[in-house]
Amino acid sequence: AQSVTQLGSHVSVSEGALVLLRCNYSSSVPPYLFWYVQYPNQGLQLLLKYTSAATLVKGINGFEAEFKKSETSFHLTKPSAHMSDAAEYFCAVSPNAGGTSYGKLTFGQGTILTVHP
Amino acid sequence: DSGVTQTPKHLITATGQRVTLRCSPRSGDLSVYWYQQSLDQGLQFLIQYYNGEERAKGNILERFSAQQFPDLHSELNLSSLELGDSALYFCASSPDWREETQYFGPGTRLLVL
Repeated sequence: AQSVTQLGSHVSVSEGALVLLRCNYSSSVPPYLFWYVQYPNQGLQLLLKYTSAATLVKGINGFEAEFKKSETSFHLTKPSAHMSDAAEYFCAVSPNAGGTSYGKLTFGQGTILTVHP
Repeated sequence: DSGVTQTPKHLITATGQRVTLRCSPRSGDLSVYWYQQSLDQGLQFLIQYYNGEERAKGNILERFSAQQFPDLHSELNLSSLELGDSALYFCASSPDWREETQYFGPGTRLLVL
């Protein structure tokens, strides 16, 4: 079974500071990995995804994430935080294999990012 | 806007009742997924349909059922509702059952009193 752990349910940064949201996964084979963002009272929006191509993935709004197999990690970063980045961020994994589990997303518990002036 | 629509946006009902949540996938998408987001359980996969057929099942209670119609819209039926069923229910869609990217709708917020 796959699982995702997001370290830190709340992260607070100053505007202009580096954003680092941590995600570790557990999977018997390299999975597909995703970061989604959820703004208050809205659905989930895809930020970026890793699907076995380049290990450094660039997404929308200046975010990027690096897949590190040796560390089973997929941390999300942004060099300079903006007030509009305040939201909840979810790391998710789906199996990279055929069968009935294909496409099913397993989510982490989420990290609420607060950006203060 | 992801292109996935869900109705209603909000639903308030009483314990023991039955409700139906509706989802229209993005144009051209054949696969529909249902997720439940609650404070204690987080985001959990419930069920997936592809072109009218059930494709995968997750932590879906027996009191819950879903279907996908020929026009590809999907409905999630929740019956014998309990207080603990209060949650946000999301629908997502993708072009194919093997497509890894899912596009989420805005959700239906269910409150069971």
